[in-house]
Amino acid sequence: DSGVTQTPKHLITATGQRVTLRCSPRSGDLSVYWYQQSLDQGLQFLIQYYNGEERAKGNILERFSAQQFPDLHSELNLSSLELGDSALYFCASSVASLGALNIQYFGAGTRLSVL
Amino acid sequence: AQSVTQLDSQVPVFEEAPVELRCNYSSSVSVYLFWYVQYPNQGLQLLLKYLSGSTLVKGINGFEAEFNKSQTSFHLRKPSVHISDTAEYFCAVSENDAGGTSYGKLTFGQGTILTVHP
Repeated sequence: DSGVTQTPKHLITATGQRVTLRCSPRSGDLSVYWYQQSLDQGLQFLIQYYNGEERAKGNILERFSAQQFPDLHSELNLSSLELGDSALYFCASSVASLGALNIQYFGAGTRLSVL
Repeated sequence: AQSVTQLDSQVPVFEEAPVELRCNYSSSVSVYLFWYVQYPNQGLQLLLKYLSGSTLVKGINGFEAEFNKSQTSFHLRKPSVHISDTAEYFCAVSENDAGGTSYGKLTFGQGTILTVHP
């Protein structure tokens, strides 16, 4: 068990809908990362938050957004869903985002199926 | 920008045989290197990491990897594999770039599926 908790484990929804994925980082970790794993794109970095502030963005669609709350949990919001958004979404956390403190531990993921 | 290439998409091997999973990276700055393992229907588990110091790093489950700066490689090895090692393995890098903007994101290779046959 990595200590990173993601809910729900599975989500099945329809095109055009909106969903929220939740992540609780390991105790003491301030940095949260979101990654998308799909068959065609592999594992791709989406976005990073550090202590409540957005730090870096990757290939994240404008339909997607995220936030990190004062208790450090994070939510990834996906809207106007398309079939191609079906993927496994991972959250990872680390103590900090720099250097040796950036050892990222991953949650079990949320599998999103858009029908 | 950093990139990672895992040279083999699939590696079949017999139980108790040695295995090497190859990983090459490119980056304009120094990097930290990681191997993660993903068992079927599970998340990513950290196998080992290279941050600095000895270029030979040991991880969990008997795996080790060697950092070769001149060849920009970080190959994963195990002298004798078990059926339970069947999984997908990912090589990843993060840039040691305190003054830059990468903010520690991981860039992953495409993964290598290791299948251990009895």
